[in-house]
Amino acid sequence: EPEVTQTPSHQVTQMGQEVILRCVPISNHLYFYWYRQILGQKVEFLVSFYNNEISEKSEIFDDQFSVERPDGSNFTLKIRSTKLEDSAMYFCASSEWNTNTGELFFGEGSRLTVL
Amino acid sequence: QQQVKQSPQSLIVQKGGISIINCAYENTAFDYFPWYQQFPGKGPALLIAIRPDVSEKKEGRFTISFNKSAKQFSLHIMDSQPGDSATYFCAASEPSKAAGNKLTFGGGTRVLVKP
Repeated sequence: EPEVTQTPSHQVTQMGQEVILRCVPISNHLYFYWYRQILGQKVEFLVSFYNNEISEKSEIFDDQFSVERPDGSNFTLKIRSTKLEDSAMYFCASSEWNTNTGELFFGEGSRLTVL
Repeated sequence: QQQVKQSPQSLIVQKGGISIINCAYENTAFDYFPWYQQFPGKGPALLIAIRPDVSEKKEGRFTISFNKSAKQFSLHIMDSQPGDSATYFCAASEPSKAAGNKLTFGGGTRVLVKP
């Protein structure tokens, strides 16, 4: 069964460092998303990406964040200068366009720990 | 207006019992209401979803009840099993071809099914 894969599974970084989280969405999907989940809290939307551009972003997704689809298969989230409060589980998701279902397929997440 | 409120935060049920989780939303433009199940260390996975043109949808032991006028929907897990122990998230969205399906999640309910 096709799945969304994410790397790394866990990254520890120092505050102020740049971090890149990588995702390989399901191959025939057109929409890509990043969500984050701070430990024990709800899943929060960060950004959606379609047709090689950001289609929507949340207030959390400020200038420190960027996304890219560099090679047609990978989808990356970059945090330019990490802060302590960026520590969270980051989930990548993808979906196809279907008027009957809107299922998002999530990866297993990348845990980011900022020290 | 984008919030989805979920209750209870946690739930303990005996094996064979019924688990009931409730959600309420504010945005009347939402027209897709999924429930996601998340096991520790994993990403959320779609369990069941409903559109507002029906009041109930059943898949196996899982049923969504939807009340459009009250802007509420609920998940019922019948004959709860220890393997159902997980965190359950309700969500809502307004899918569009331009932006995909940005989900707004509720706060989650941790369900523990005791043998």
